[in-house]
Amino acid sequence: DIQMTQSPSTLSASVGDRVTITCRASQSISNYLAWYQQKPGKAPKLLIYRASSLESGVPSRFSGSGSGTDFTLTVSSLQPDDFATYFCQQSDISPKTFGQGTKVEIK
Amino acid sequence: EVQLVESGGGLVQPGGSLRLSCAASGFTFSNYWMSWVRQAPGKGLEWVANIKEDGSEKDYVDMVKGRFTISRDNAKNSVHLQMNSLRAEDTAVYYCARDCRSGCLENWGQGTRVTVSS
Repeated sequence: DIQMTQSPSTLSASVGDRVTITCRASQSISNYLAWYQQKPGKAPKLLIYRASSLESGVPSRFSGSGSGTDFTLTVSSLQPDDFATYFCQQSDISPKTFGQGTKVEIK
Repeated sequence: EVQLVESGGGLVQPGGSLRLSCAASGFTFSNYWMSWVRQAPGKGLEWVANIKEDGSEKDYVDMVKGRFTISRDNAKNSVHLQMNSLRAEDTAVYYCARDCRSGCLENWGQGTRVTVSS
């Protein structure tokens, strides 16, 4: 199975900060990479698909980049609603696999 | 509006069975692959299984192969997960999700909780 490794596991930030989360795949996955946001007790929400395509309705402060094995999710200016856990997920090779998550907490 | 509503979760003893269902609405169900994803308490996300639009192809994570069966009823806009020989490690919230064309999971239900315990 393809292993997805996110860093950091926890990130402390303030409102207005630029935040970057990294996801690394154990082998090349082209651009078959998605990012999700999850809040406590809620289902995950798709933010980015195909590494850099913004899902409809998602604020433009979210962006994704990368291809091959290294990917990033960037929030250009962190808002109060953005404190949550973020997961990456590859869909190039079955089984789909997720990163372990990055919790973005208030500094 | 896309809606996915799971049901069928509950408490079951180790070795027991449970059948989860997901009712879909707001889109042409027969045009989409559908997945089940689970999340153990305090843990990350684990994709469990998915099924092709017409049900002709199914795929599973190794940990559930031979124990879980995914199926769908396009006439009733529903997808199911039959879970047999349940183990404590199957304890999780189970989400139904609609696959996007590139394999992402673009819509999710609210989840149904499965607890395997004696």
